[in-house]
Amino acid sequence: NAGVTQTPKFRVLKTGQSMTLLCAQDMNHEYMYWYRQDPGMGLRLIHYSVGEGTTAKGEVPDGYNVSRLKKQNFLLGLESAAPSQTSVYFCASRRGTGYNEQFFGPGTRLTVL
Amino acid sequence: DQQVKQNSPSLSVQEGRISILNCDYTNSMFDYFLWYKKYPAEGPTFLISISSIKDKNEDGRFTVFLNKSAKHLSLHIVPSQPGDSAVYFCAGNNDYKLSFGAGTTVTVRA
Repeated sequence: NAGVTQTPKFRVLKTGQSMTLLCAQDMNHEYMYWYRQDPGMGLRLIHYSVGEGTTAKGEVPDGYNVSRLKKQNFLLGLESAAPSQTSVYFCASRRGTGYNEQFFGPGTRLTVL
Repeated sequence: DQQVKQNSPSLSVQEGRISILNCDYTNSMFDYFLWYKKYPAEGPTFLISISSIKDKNEDGRFTVFLNKSAKHLSLHIVPSQPGDSAVYFCAGNNDYKLSFGAGTTVTVRA
């Protein structure tokens, strides 16, 4: 039982490049989330999903897209990376309605030059 | 607009003493509050939670207090241990989304 895993762990991009971050969970959780963490700002919600095939915008969605084609996977895409997207990205999952705890992955450190 | 605020960026405490972390919120729709602990280069891990209809929840060395009228909660760690040195995040739950504070870095001195 690996919990929540994220790929890759580190990545360096040049401005304008694109990439996809992969999140996978093996707990059969319904809800999944993508956050970014920046110094002094805590974790901010980018996008989330309440079930396979559904996605919704969070607090800071601009510049990102997501997809949840399979229940266990939640992908975060950057179409044209900008230096402002340099951050640590965390994926999380939650069992479903009635359960409040979110389980987090280890994070992806992204640098955009 | 930040709905959850942790106004103390850092806290230093001696081993064996009490650590008190504070959190204020503005959203009256939060139905649960959670505390997470985070070590460097790791993801946050759940520590303890409290329902908005309770005023106290205890789990071993960790106790969370909620003052709903003041929109304030606190986390008490007694006694503090070296392994408690980490960043602690307070979060409020509304629907299925969490809103996080900026975090408090706790350092436990030997």
